[in-house]
Amino acid sequence: AQSVTQPDARVTVSEGASLQLRCKYSYSGTPYLFWYVQYPRQGLQLLLKYYSGDPVVQGVNGFEAEFIKSNSSFHLRKASVHWSDSAVYFCAVSATGNTGKLIFGLGTTLQVQP
Amino acid sequence: GPKVLQIPSHQIIDMGQMVTLNCDPVSNHLYFYWYKQILGQQMEFLVNFYNGKVMEKSKLFKDQFSVERPDGSYFTLKIQPTALEDSAVYFCASSLDSSGNTLYFGEGSRLIVV
Repeated sequence: AQSVTQPDARVTVSEGASLQLRCKYSYSGTPYLFWYVQYPRQGLQLLLKYYSGDPVVQGVNGFEAEFIKSNSSFHLRKASVHWSDSAVYFCAVSATGNTGKLIFGLGTTLQVQP
Repeated sequence: GPKVLQIPSHQIIDMGQMVTLNCDPVSNHLYFYWYKQILGQQMEFLVNFYNGKVMEKSKLFKDQFSVERPDGSYFTLKIQPTALEDSAVYFCASSLDSSGNTLYFGEGSRLIVV
């Protein structure tokens, strides 16, 4: 069965520091992988997605993620965070060709301190 | 970016009563989804909908649940009758294509059944 694990419920970093939010998935086939962000009082917004090709994918606002098949991981990274990056980040996986049935992790709350 | 609107943002309802959650999807999108998030748990897929029909539903989509989009208006989730365990945040999403690769989510409707 598909599953997504985000082991860190909350991450606190200082503004300007680098960031890594961890995500591990379980899926036997070729997954589609996503990172979504939810800012306060807003809906989830897609940050980036991976289907195939270059395992490092670039997203919006300087975020990137790397698909490592051998480790079943899809960690999100940013070189230098800004206070406005404070939000909840969700990793998700779906089966190839699956029609919008995403499996989400619990989410990681990121707090950026000034 | 494209917006998905959900009405109401929150509602308190007596157990056994009917509730309808409304979703105004992105205007040219063809595929619609409901997800459910119980407090402290992962967001979980409920149902997807296309061309007037349910394509897939999860085991969470009980017999008391129904969805429709009459005449291209709101995409609705109706629960009749409600139960205490229906208390959750319900997220609507829409997408343009069938691969579901970019879902646009609303802010969620918080339902409290008392």
